[in-house]
Amino acid sequence: TQLLEQSPQFLSIQEGENLTVYCNSSSVFSSLQWYRQEPGEGPVLLVTVVTGGEVKKLKRLTFQFGDARKDSSLHITAAQPGDTGLYLCAGLTSGTYKYIFGTGTRLKVLA
Amino acid sequence: SAVISQKPSRDICQRGTSLTIQCQVDSQVTMMFWYRQQPGQSLTLIATANQGSEATYESGFVIDKFPISRPNLTFSTLTVSNMSPEDSSIYLCSALAGDTQYFGPGTRLTVL
Repeated sequence: TQLLEQSPQFLSIQEGENLTVYCNSSSVFSSLQWYRQEPGEGPVLLVTVVTGGEVKKLKRLTFQFGDARKDSSLHITAAQPGDTGLYLCAGLTSGTYKYIFGTGTRLKVLA
Repeated sequence: SAVISQKPSRDICQRGTSLTIQCQVDSQVTMMFWYRQQPGQSLTLIATANQGSEATYESGFVIDKFPISRPNLTFSTLTVSNMSPEDSSIYLCSALAGDTQYFGPGTRLTVL
């Protein structure tokens, strides 16, 4: 069974602080996605990383795919209350269309 | 892109009854999926809804409990049958458009 473990599970920080969320697996994925979900809504895609070692930036968010394509990280610089939400990574296994979702990280940014 | 709507948005049901959740996509898509999510937790894939054929279920989910229909490329339904309190959860529909998976807002189900 493929598992994607995210850490930390919960994170509460002050506005302006930096944070990193990790997504780890023993399996190799052909691509990995990060989502943010707010209460009462479905997850919204933030980014897709495909190449081992790839780094993508989305304003204050930096995403990295591990060289071996087994892990990923999300770094947020100068967090804002609007960043509050549930962050989910999801890995796609080669040859399938099924995404395996990580365990989730619940982030709360206090003003 | 794809915009997905689900009906109902929430429901409270009695034990032993069944509920059918509808999922509508605003464009034709090849792949549609159904997930279950406990509040504040991650998503578990229930099944892939296949157009014109039986759905493909993940381990732990069976057709008798979660029958799925997919009559065309824009619509799917998930039925939660013979419900028990353990079925209380959020049920999410998603569709794959290109390389991007889009999600509906979810259906919050409470079984008493």
